[in-house]
Amino acid sequence: KAGVTQTPRYLIKTRGQQVTLSCSPISGHRSVSWYQQTPGQGLQFLFEYFSETQRNKGNFPGRFSGRQFSNSRSEMNVSTLELGDSALYLCASSSTRSVRISPSEQYFGPGTRLTVT
Amino acid sequence: DAKTTQPNSMESNEEEPVHLPCNHSTISGTDYIHWYRQLPSQGPEYVIHGLTSNVNNRMASLAIAEDRKSSTLILHRATLRDAAVYYCILKGNAGGTSYGKLTFGQGTILTVHP
Repeated sequence: KAGVTQTPRYLIKTRGQQVTLSCSPISGHRSVSWYQQTPGQGLQFLFEYFSETQRNKGNFPGRFSGRQFSNSRSEMNVSTLELGDSALYLCASSSTRSVRISPSEQYFGPGTRLTVT
Repeated sequence: DAKTTQPNSMESNEEEPVHLPCNHSTISGTDYIHWYRQLPSQGPEYVIHGLTSNVNNRMASLAIAEDRKSSTLILHRATLRDAAVYYCILKGNAGGTSYGKLTFGQGTILTVHP
C-alpha cells in the first residue's frame, strides 16, 4: 500500500498570504489528522476529519481550517500567514472509525515545510 | 489528556538492548499506551501500543507495569537506524476530544553509537 502523501513538500510564503496544503491518506483510511511541528512547541494537534466531518479540533486560531473530500483526501488552509506559522505540517491517516474499541495507530506523511517570510 | 514523563535523552551502543522508560502516574483505566518515534527529517512512525499486557511486534516490545503507572519500550538490538526521538503517548478511547488526537510531549532523544 502506498503511504500517506503530502504536497507540496516545501513552500515559501509571505506574511499576509494564505496557503493550502494537501494530504492523501492511505487507501481505505477515512480519518485524517493534521499536526503542526515547531522547535519551540513540538508537535501539536490541529484537527481531525472523518467522512468529510471535522470531529475534533485543537487549540489553534480560526485562521487554520481544513476540509476533507469524499475520497478522504484532505486539505488544510492557513489564511493571513504570520511569521510564527513557519513550521512542518504533518498529516496522519488512520482506519479508526470508533475509538471505543481500540484507538488505532496513525500513519504520518513526510510533512510540508512551510516558511513564512 | 494524562501526562507522560520521559528522560530527555538516552544513549546506546549498536546491537545492544535499549530500555526507554515512560512514567504516566495519572493514567486512566481506558488510556492506551502508544509509542511513536520520529527519525530525522521524517514524520512520526508508529511503534507499538498496549493497554495492560506486555506486547511484542517486529519493531519492539512494550512492558507495562502492573499498576500501569509506567511502561518501558524495549528495542532488543539497537541499530543506527533506531536513532530517533521516541514519544510515549496516552490515548483515550472516549471519543469526542479523543478523535484523531495524539498529544506529543518532548520525547526521548535516542543516540545509537556504532
